Amino acid sequence: AQKVTQAQTEISVVEKEDVTLDCVYETRDTTYYLFWYKQPPSGELVFLIRRNSFDEQNEISGRYSWNFQKSTSSFNFTITASQVVDSAVYFCALSVSNSNSGYALNFGKGTSLLVTP
Amino acid sequence: GAGVSQSPSNKVTEKGKDVELRCDPISGHTALYWYRQSLGQGLEFLIYFQGNSAPDKSGLPSDRFSAERTGGSVSTLTIQRTQQEDSAVYLCASSSLKVGQETQYFGPGTRLLVL
Repeated sequence: AQKVTQAQTEISVVEKEDVTLDCVYETRDTTYYLFWYKQPPSGELVFLIRRNSFDEQNEISGRYSWNFQKSTSSFNFTITASQVVDSAVYFCALSVSNSNSGYALNFGKGTSLLVTP
Repeated sequence: GAGVSQSPSNKVTEKGKDVELRCDPISGHTALYWYRQSLGQGLEFLIYFQGNSAPDKSGLPSDRFSAERTGGSVSTLTIQRTQQEDSAVYLCASSSLKVGQETQYFGPGTRLLVL
């Protein structure tokens, strides 16, 4: 079984602060995929990043960066110099290949980020 | 190109009525997924289609739920005799099944309220 834990339920920061969202996962599969999705107030889930289990390289995209560490089963997400538009709920998710469920996503409970001016 | 679309955006119904939710995936995407998002349960997977086939329907919450997909494209999720606990946002996602392209892209969801 797969499990994703996002221990931070809510985070509030002031604009321009850096913020890290934690994600810890559990799986017995050796091949798996990790994702982050953003859900703004409008409600639509927006894809941010996908990593596979064989690629531990960290990634940076503009103000966003991701730290994947298999040793601690973590896939943390950092927003540098946060902006009000970053306010949203962020979901970490895990998938493995399964003939019955395809690559169905197992989501964490989400972290609600509020960035105030 | 166009993203995943869902209709209706919002649906208010009375307990006991049937509802049909529609999902139009990204053109060419073989895989289609339904999820439900509710306050108590978070985001939960319901069913997966590969083409028109759903290998496993055990993720559907009850036998009042059914889903189908036709022409490898549009999918409908039907809830019969709706109950108040069915109130949730129903999300559809689609993806390719080509290696390295399995990322799921989501539609805007259907917000269902059962009175």
